[in-house]
Amino acid sequence: DSGVTQTPKHLITATGQRVTLRCSPRSGDLSVYWYQQSLDQGLQFLIQYYNGEERAKGNILERFSAQQFPDLHSELNLSSLELGDSALYFCASSVGLAGTYEQYFGPGTRLTVT
Amino acid sequence: SQKIEQNSEALNIQEGKTATLTCNYTNYSPAYLQWYRQDPGRGPVFLLLIRENEKEKRKERLKVTFDTTLKQSLFHITASQPADSATYLCALEAGNQFYFGTGTSLTVIP
Repeated sequence: DSGVTQTPKHLITATGQRVTLRCSPRSGDLSVYWYQQSLDQGLQFLIQYYNGEERAKGNILERFSAQQFPDLHSELNLSSLELGDSALYFCASSVGLAGTYEQYFGPGTRLTVT
Repeated sequence: SQKIEQNSEALNIQEGKTATLTCNYTNYSPAYLQWYRQDPGRGPVFLLLIRENEKEKRKERLKVTFDTTLKQSLFHITASQPADSATYLCALEAGNQFYFGTGTSLTVIP
């Protein structure tokens, strides 16, 4: 158990809908990362927050947004969902800002868009 | 953008042998590189980090090398066991982005 929690574990929704994925980092970790993993794309970095502020942005679509709250939990919002958004979404956390800190991954949320 | 390539083929080895996995990267010179293990349907688990000024890093049966001239990292598992069967990912940070390779699937045959 990494100490990172993600909810829900599974999510099935229809195209055009909007969903929110939630992540609670390990106690003491200030950085939260979001990743998307699909079979053909591997693990893709979406966005990083550090202590409530956005710090780095990857290949995150405009339909996707995220935020980190004062209690350090984070939410990833996916809207106008398309079939291609079906994937495993992972949240990870680390103590510090830089990538020299190891990342602890949550169990993931499996999103299926029908 | 950064590109990371790992052994494209799955790797099958006999128990007790040494597994060697390759990670090649382009377009950037990272200050460090990380290796993770991922089991099916689960999140990656951190294994080792190696910095550019370190040629080699060891942890129990694991060894990682980092050749910044070749832009390559090698990941070795010695005395492999069936429990080592998993997908292994290399990762680096470049230009404020985090990049993961697609991974190498390792199967250790008893």
